[in-house]
Amino acid sequence: KQEVTQIPAALSVPEGENLVLNCSFTDSAIYNLQWFRQDPGKGLTSLLLIQSSQREQTSGRLNASLDKSSGRSTLYIAASQPGDSATYLCAVRYYGNNRLAFGKGNQVVVIP
Amino acid sequence: SQTIHQWPATLVQPVGSPLSLECTVEGTSNPNLYWYRQAAGRGLQLLFYSVGIGQISSEVPQNLSASRPQDRQFILSSKKLLLSDSGFYLCAWSVSGGFFDEQFFGPGTRLTVL
Repeated sequence: KQEVTQIPAALSVPEGENLVLNCSFTDSAIYNLQWFRQDPGKGLTSLLLIQSSQREQTSGRLNASLDKSSGRSTLYIAASQPGDSATYLCAVRYYGNNRLAFGKGNQVVVIP
Repeated sequence: SQTIHQWPATLVQPVGSPLSLECTVEGTSNPNLYWYRQAAGRGLQLLFYSVGIGQISSEVPQNLSASRPQDRQFILSSKKLLLSDSGFYLCAWSVSGGFFDEQFFGPGTRLTVL
């Protein structure tokens, strides 16, 4: 079964600290991996898309890495701000599958 | 630029009533379209996807149906709602032929069935 796991479900960090969010997947035959942000009651905002041939992607303070051999992706958010408080979702596209497999998300609170 | 709209934003319906949720995409042609449901404590679940007008694929058996009457319009329907249909419904799109490309989501519809 192609599962995606995000642990912990919730975390709090003081403002200014770097955020590290982990996403684990059970099948290394992935096509790509996408990180999303979701604010309460809102839709998903795409943050980064990493193709299976890539090791990392960067956008501003965000950096996402991909290690297929260990079945892991990590989202780094540098110098966290209260505005970074949200739920972060990881989604994996596997070869031969039309669907994105989503994790349940990491709910992040950045404390001023 | 591309935008995706969903309405209504919130909906409260009694059990047994019909449902129609609408999603439209602007700024692109022949997109792939998707309906997801997000239930409390669960991850997002893909319900339907469409690669073109009138072409619908269902991912899970359920009380819902989908239709695509126009290129950039995707509709989620039910004839009789169940309590278990409550949830947050999200529409998404990706570029034509791009199942493996980035997906972009709409603002969602919060459905409560009483």
